[in-house]
Amino acid sequence: EDQVTQSPEALRLQEGESSSLNCSYTVSGLRGLFWYRQDPGKGPEFLFTLYSAGEEKEKERLKATLTKKESFLHITAPKPEDSATYLCAVRTTDSWGKLQFGAGTQVVVTP
Amino acid sequence: NAGVTQTPKFRVLKTGQSMTLLCAQDMNHEYMYWYRQDPGMGLRLIHYSVGEGTTAKGEVPDGYNVSRLKKQNFLLGLESAAPSQTSVYFCASSYSTKGYTFGSGTRLTVV
Repeated sequence: EDQVTQSPEALRLQEGESSSLNCSYTVSGLRGLFWYRQDPGKGPEFLFTLYSAGEEKEKERLKATLTKKESFLHITAPKPEDSATYLCAVRTTDSWGKLQFGAGTQVVVTP
Repeated sequence: NAGVTQTPKFRVLKTGQSMTLLCAQDMNHEYMYWYRQDPGMGLRLIHYSVGEGTTAKGEVPDGYNVSRLKKQNFLLGLESAAPSQTSVYFCASSYSTKGYTFGSGTRLTVV
C-alpha cells in the first residue's frame, strides 16, 4: 500500500532560523512528488513538482529536494509570511493523475 | 481570474438532509477531483473524473455521489448527510500530469 508520511507535524521557528521538513514515501512507482502550501481557510497552493532522485527546485526561500525514499523542503532564513501548512503528495504510475497526500507540517515563524 | 470556484463556502446541514456542492473550472482541465480534509488526516480523495461523463471512486467514496455532465463542472452530492461527513471539502482540477489547482473549499458541518 502506498504511504506518504510527513514530519514533524508542527514546527515553530524564529525569523531567520533555517530548517527542513521531511516527506517520506513508499510507493510502487513514482511519477512525481508535489509540494503545496496551505494558508488557514484556503485551498492548497502549488509550489513544486519533482520527478527523479537528485532533482532540486527553488522558489524564494524554499528549496525542495528528492531522493528515492524521501523529499525535503528546506526553508532558508524564514520570514513570518512563510507561516503555513506545507503538504507533500505523490503521484504513482497507476494513479490516473490522482495525488496521495501526507498529513502536512504546520510551520509557524515568529518575529 | 482563471481558477477553480466552489460553492457554497459554508453550510450547516441536519443529519439526513441532502445537498450538492458545485465545482467549476475555467482552465479546460480534463481531470477533476473531490477531496475532504480532516485534522491530522490530510487530504483524502472521495471521487474523481478523467473527463466529461466519466467518474470513479477514490479512497473514501461511501456516502457521496458525483456527476460530470459538463467538462467544466464537477458536482459532489450527499444524499443523507451524517455527522461523520463534517469536514472541509476541496475540489481540484489538473491537466494530465501537472499539479492540481485547488478551489478555496467548502466548510460543511452536519449536526
